[in-house]
Amino acid sequence: GDSVTQTEGLVTLTEGLPVMLNCTYQTIYSNPFLFWYVQHLNESPRLLLKSFTDNKRTEHQGFHATLHKSSSSFHLQKSSAQLSDSALYYCALSKDSGYNKLTFGKGTVLLVSP
Amino acid sequence: ETAVFQTPNYHVTQVGNEVSFNCKQTLGHDTMYWYKQDSKKLLKIMFSYNNKQLIVNETVPRRFSPQSSDKAHLNLRIKSVEPEDSAVYLCASSFTGSQNTLYFGAGTRLSVL
Repeated sequence: GDSVTQTEGLVTLTEGLPVMLNCTYQTIYSNPFLFWYVQHLNESPRLLLKSFTDNKRTEHQGFHATLHKSSSSFHLQKSSAQLSDSALYYCALSKDSGYNKLTFGKGTVLLVSP
Repeated sequence: ETAVFQTPNYHVTQVGNEVSFNCKQTLGHDTMYWYKQDSKKLLKIMFSYNNKQLIVNETVPRRFSPQSSDKAHLNLRIKSVEPEDSAVYLCASSFTGSQNTLYFGAGTRLSVL
């Protein structure tokens, strides 16, 4: 079945440093949809960004990610971390057609300190 | 702006009891979901309904049963709770289609003593 791997459980950074959260996936579908959801403390997950197009950079709220089908990756990046970026980040995969059935990775906690 | 409403926010109960959780969305979506978020923050889909029809039924114990009266409402009943059912149950909704965004409710935190 489908799977999403987020290798880091916890990433700690100092404010101002670049952010990179890793996400790789496995699927039988040739055109999957990839998502990043963010969950701040005591809140529910909400969409950060999504992509369906190979090798096209997607940006939102200072974050960006590029879907690379050749390496089955969808890493999340930001040039400069802010304190407010501290949250739990989920990478998720959906198949290329039909009903939406998201498969989530285990999540990466990002902690940004002053 | 909250548009997926869940009740209750919290529920504490004892092993063997029955509990019910409610979810309503005002976004006009036609698909609704129940996800379980455990103590390690793992998010797993339990059920999905499209226009009142069950379309996704993951391998969950039989004591869990979803109920949908219309496309805006999706409830979850647990017939006889077990300690491992302690978790946050997140309701979500979206339009039909794999590319569409899920909108989550605030969640119901269940504690089984």
